Amino acid sequence: GQQVMQIPQYQHVQEGEDFTTYCNSSTTLSNIQWYKQRPGGHPVFLIQLVKSGEVKKQKRLTFQFGEAKKNSSLHITATQTTDVGTYFCAGPTSGTYKYIFGTGTRLKVLA
Amino acid sequence: KAGVTQTPRYLIKTRGQQVTLSCSPISGHRSVSWYQQTPGQGLQFLFEYFSETQRNKGNFPGRFSGRQFSNSRSEMNVSTLELGDSALYLCASSLGVGTDTQYFGPGTRLTVL
Repeated sequence: GQQVMQIPQYQHVQEGEDFTTYCNSSTTLSNIQWYKQRPGGHPVFLIQLVKSGEVKKQKRLTFQFGEAKKNSSLHITATQTTDVGTYFCAGPTSGTYKYIFGTGTRLKVLA
Repeated sequence: KAGVTQTPRYLIKTRGQQVTLSCSPISGHRSVSWYQQTPGQGLQFLFEYFSETQRNKGNFPGRFSGRQFSNSRSEMNVSTLELGDSALYLCASSLGVGTDTQYFGPGTRLTVL
């Protein structure tokens, strides 16, 4: 079936270090969206990428959508303790428009 | 604008019982999706409703059902509860179907004993 895998599954970093999570879909996505879920909370929308090869920045966060629209990455520069949470990529599959979520990457930031 | 609301927030049931969860979307949003979140399986898509019609469905047994009302509010029902149904059930609303940003509610934490 259609799957969206994220690596790594878990990541512990020291505060100030950089962090990257990669999202790989088995099928082409119409667009890709990133969500952040704080511990005990619910997923909150961060950003949407639509075009092949698109790169967007939000302060310390950089998002990239792959040329084939099957993969994406989220890079956080100089992590802070407020970055703790699980990051999910998600998107509708091209054609069927079924919305699928990635497996998520749980980030812990050690002060 | 008020966010997505879900009731109840917490629920404890026993095996074999049934449960109904409710979701009120953001005003103006016509699409409501339901997800099951467990530590082992992550976020699993249950179904999506738009204009009172089920538009997409995930791979869950028929014990899981839902419906949407004319005011876009949605309910999800799980019959004959099993221990494995213990999870956080999240509802998300969006303007349209399939491609739009999902705005999540706080979820209903269901525990099946």
